[in-house]
Amino acid sequence: IAGITQAPTSQILAAGRRMTLRCTQDMRHNAMYWYRQDLGLGLRLIHYSNTAGTTGKGEVPDGYSVSRANTDDFPLTLASAVPSQTSVYFCASSAGGGDEKLFFGSGTQLSVL
Amino acid sequence: GQNIDQPTEMTATEGAIVQINCTYQTSGFNGLFWYQQHAGEAPTFLSYNVLDGLEEKGRFSSFLSRSKGYSYLLLKELQMKDSASYLCAVRDGDYQLIWGAGTKLIIKP
Repeated sequence: IAGITQAPTSQILAAGRRMTLRCTQDMRHNAMYWYRQDLGLGLRLIHYSNTAGTTGKGEVPDGYSVSRANTDDFPLTLASAVPSQTSVYFCASSAGGGDEKLFFGSGTQLSVL
Repeated sequence: GQNIDQPTEMTATEGAIVQINCTYQTSGFNGLFWYQQHAGEAPTFLSYNVLDGLEEKGRFSSFLSRSKGYSYLLLKELQMKDSASYLCAVRDGDYQLIWGAGTKLIIKP
């Protein structure tokens, strides 16, 4: 593994189903983030974690949950998917602090039907 | 509210120079980032400005004026591989990152 790995790459999901998007990083970064990207909109933060064991809500957290049991993993769960959650999801990490840049995973294209 | 504005789309010619503008209105300011995103791929970091002035990095330069709430990304000697979306993001007073919708840059031969 080098950098951030997301899985799956793409998924088609029936509405009402539960889904977990996986994210793993090997850079020992403290901070991790989940964003969604929709056409014509900027990246929107769903949830974040500044360090293992802590999580926080972003701009659009409803319908999503996260956990941060260790430094490397930051899964995102949709408890009961709805069509408005159709989007491209990016996991990102940063070393933590003020001016550091984000490193992004390759993204998950999720379609909820 | 907080807002980042950048043009939706721009077209330029291979070998030329293009300037992509970004204006922002945020509650506080703790730095401005530019990211490049090729179609179907993840964003990758290009530049970071926290003080006024020009930061040059090879063919790419980024400028910031905090008093005007304005930044631009300057791309010189354009190559076909520069066809991508360019995302402007501002870290506000609470260190939250606010993203623009991105500028799609089309390079023509």
